[in-house]
Amino acid sequence: KQEVTQIPAALSVPEGENLVLNCSFTDSAIYNLQWFRQDPGKGLTSLLLIQSSQREQTSGRLNASLDKSSGRSTLYIAASQPGDSATYLCAVASNSGNTPLVFGKGTRLSVIA
Amino acid sequence: GAVVSQHPSWVICKSGTSVKIECRSLDFQATTMFWYRQFPKQSLMLMATSNEGSKATYEQGVEKDKFLINHASLTLSTLTVTSAHPEDSSFYICSARPPPYNEQFFGPGTRLTVL
Repeated sequence: KQEVTQIPAALSVPEGENLVLNCSFTDSAIYNLQWFRQDPGKGLTSLLLIQSSQREQTSGRLNASLDKSSGRSTLYIAASQPGDSATYLCAVASNSGNTPLVFGKGTRLSVIA
Repeated sequence: GAVVSQHPSWVICKSGTSVKIECRSLDFQATTMFWYRQFPKQSLMLMATSNEGSKATYEQGVEKDKFLINHASLTLSTLTVTSAHPEDSSFYICSARPPPYNEQFFGPGTRLTVL
């Protein structure tokens, strides 16, 4: 059974710092991996999708990498801003086709102005 | 990206009543939708997979008679929490993937509070 772990559980940084969020998964036979952002009491916003054949994806100040063989992904946030404060969730799809995601517990990020 | 909507966004009900939550794919057809539940400060846990025109598939530990799922059309799935109790209070989120089934899109969620 796939398990997804995110470290750290919480992170507080001053504005302007670059930071890395970590995600690991136990079964490397994934189809793709998604990073989401969730604001308190809100739904999920998809940030980046990495297919199993890809090694990284970039969107603005965000960069996600994938090392499928070692079961790890990282989300790099450059020049953090207070508006980046949220919970970041990593989720993997284990099969092709219409299958659900398995989520990690998330990393709660606070960016202090 | 694709859009998934949910209604209502929040609901408060008395213990013992039933509550229906709707999940719609607005700009694509979804033969399958997924229902997740999220307790405070916890991650999302898959409750069930809703299949258009057939029975839903429930995860272990989820009572199918309590959480009724109906996927009557290619754009609508409903989750009915029957005889709700305070322990059913949670954040319920649905999702779907448009073909070719890469990125998954989530609804905004429904906050259920059972008094």
